[in-house]
Amino acid sequence: GAVVSQHPSWVICKSGTSVKIECRSLDFQATTMFWYRQFPKQSLMLMATSNEGSKATYEQGVEKDKFLINHASLTLSTLTVTSAHPEDSSFYICSARAGAGIESPLHFGNGTRLTVT
Amino acid sequence: GEDVEQSLFLSVREGDSSVINCTYTDSSSTYLYWYKQEPGAGLQLLTYIFSNMDMKQDQRLTVLLNKKDKHLSLRIADTQTGDSAIYFCAESTGANNLFFGTGTRLTVIP
Repeated sequence: GAVVSQHPSWVICKSGTSVKIECRSLDFQATTMFWYRQFPKQSLMLMATSNEGSKATYEQGVEKDKFLINHASLTLSTLTVTSAHPEDSSFYICSARAGAGIESPLHFGNGTRLTVT
Repeated sequence: GEDVEQSLFLSVREGDSSVINCTYTDSSSTYLYWYKQEPGAGLQLLTYIFSNMDMKQDQRLTVLLNKKDKHLSLRIADTQTGDSAIYFCAESTGANNLFFGTGTRLTVIP
């Protein structure tokens, strides 16, 4: 089945530094990837839609300058949390659709747990 | 906007059946999904159903869809301890996005 790999699986960084999270589709090409954020014991919140070769589409309330998204190839999207602060600590998950049609389900990475100290 | 609701907790005894329920508000939903999330991990797609179907069965999993009532359920037969996890239902309206429910934490008691 379709596999989405996310790296790193966890990261601890100091306040004010930037952290890059990678999302790769291993056995399929994904023109679109999605980035979610999950707070403890809560559901997933869509942050942005990453489009290969063009700018990402951010959801309302998500700072695009804070969460930089780059989708440089059909198998890789990156999320950079810039100038991280403790309130950015969360579980970040990416997903990709293994197919062009809406009937193709989303496949998720295993997530990245970010802790900002 | 879209609203997807689930009960937060469910406990069952090992070997019994589990039924996890989900309600949604958007009548234009095209696909409905069930995902499983184990602690500290991403989401694993379990199954999905197209909105013109009433039922889908896949081994121990049975999905029932009542489109009129906008109600979706996931039945897990012969529930095992390894089924303990959080289960999310999600709906898609045709846009390139999913709307997730709050998740149901299933606890299987040995």
